[in-house]
Amino acid sequence: AAGVIQSPRHLIKEKRETATLKCYPIPRHDTVYWYQQGPGQDPQFLISFYEKMQSDKGSIPDRFSAQQFSDYHSELNMSSLELGDSALYFCASSLGLSWGYQETQYFGPGTRLLVL
Amino acid sequence: AQKITQTQPGMFVQEKEAVTLDCTYDTSDPSYGLFWYKQPSSGEMIFLIYQGSYDQQNATEGRYSLNFQKARKSANLVISASQLGDSAMYFCAMREGDSGNTPLVFGKGTRLSVIA
Repeated sequence: AAGVIQSPRHLIKEKRETATLKCYPIPRHDTVYWYQQGPGQDPQFLISFYEKMQSDKGSIPDRFSAQQFSDYHSELNMSSLELGDSALYFCASSLGLSWGYQETQYFGPGTRLLVL
Repeated sequence: AQKITQTQPGMFVQEKEAVTLDCTYDTSDPSYGLFWYKQPSSGEMIFLIYQGSYDQQNATEGRYSLNFQKARKSANLVISASQLGDSAMYFCAMREGDSGNTPLVFGKGTRLSVIA
């Protein structure tokens, strides 16, 4: 079965640089979520999109922005990178208006970002 | 207050034995979903099992079962016949509200080590 695809898998950036993370959801999934997981931490919700509109917003810094495109893929843009942005960034997708088992969020493999 | 509490930072279990990972949750919303995810050392977040707040029966998925005690607000994961490959971090997560596409809130996780 098709899974969530994230690219790149690994990324090394310098402080104050920018980064763009991409996410391709499972086919037919209309909702995309972004989570950040720092070392030894639990995942923290950043932002989500349903049908190309922002759905919920979590602890996403103002330096970050995201969008969902017409083909449902999503991009997380990160500017003025700081050392503290080093983390594993997950994208997850789900069927937005489903309830019950069908609402399950499936996670991509993550992008490991290291800021030097 | 923590929405999801996992009180066991680490657990050890002998191969082929059963193990229970604890999870308690805090919500005043009558509608919610509870999830367990497995995160091996490679980093991916693997969905294991789902329990809806209105489900009458405990969820089961192969060797995984969820001991759902609604009045106690607990959703413990039971892994039967542990295998070496079960060694990983396990996260309990919750989605609140009627909408199926609200973000997940995670617990701090339990690191399970299976001993041969």
